[in-house]
Amino acid sequence: GEQVEQRPPHLSVREGDSAVITCTYTDPNSYYFFWYKQEPGASLQLLMKVFSSTEINEGQGFTVLLNKKDKRLSLNLTAAHPGDSAAYFCAAANTGKLTFGHGTILRVHP
Amino acid sequence: EAAVTQSPRNKVAVTGGKVTLSCNQTNNHNNMYWYRQDTGHGLRLIHYSYGAGSTEKGDIPDGYKASRPSQENFSLILELATPSQTSVYFCASGVLGGRYEQYFGPGTRLTVL
Repeated sequence: GEQVEQRPPHLSVREGDSAVITCTYTDPNSYYFFWYKQEPGASLQLLMKVFSSTEINEGQGFTVLLNKKDKRLSLNLTAAHPGDSAAYFCAAANTGKLTFGHGTILRVHP
Repeated sequence: EAAVTQSPRNKVAVTGGKVTLSCNQTNNHNNMYWYRQDTGHGLRLIHYSYGAGSTEKGDIPDGYKASRPSQENFSLILELATPSQTSVYFCASGVLGGRYEQYFGPGTRLTVL
């Protein structure tokens, strides 16, 4: 079945810096991809969904890139702020199920 | 207004006891899912359902049963709880034939002593 590897497991950046989280997946039949954000003690919030090669959500300050040839998905926070501190999970959709990466804990400090 | 709710939010059970976790959704979604979340493992799929009366095994179904009596409700049942089932459990709903995004409930923290 599908396997999703997410890197890095922990990421610490200064406020205003960029932060990049990357996932690689194994099944070429996976076709929809998602990013979820989980704040401490809270549930998972759907952050972004991507189906084609590039999705940009400038309003929330991040870019999601999908490279189906390399089977790689990335989330780029362009100017991180303390409110971005959370766990982030990527997920790949295949036959109606989602396979999640193990998550990245992002800490943004002043 | 919350579209996926779970009860209880916290539960302490004894080893060998029966535990039922409940999930209700008002999204009118066909699909519902149960996951557990553990440090170092992310979210792992336990059971899922395509609609009332159906349940399917996910990736880690051993020790769990599921029940989908209606479109809105999906339960996870631990017949004989063990300490290894201590975890945070999330329910989610999703659209059949859609782009498979799922919407999550608030989670249930289960501790088995």
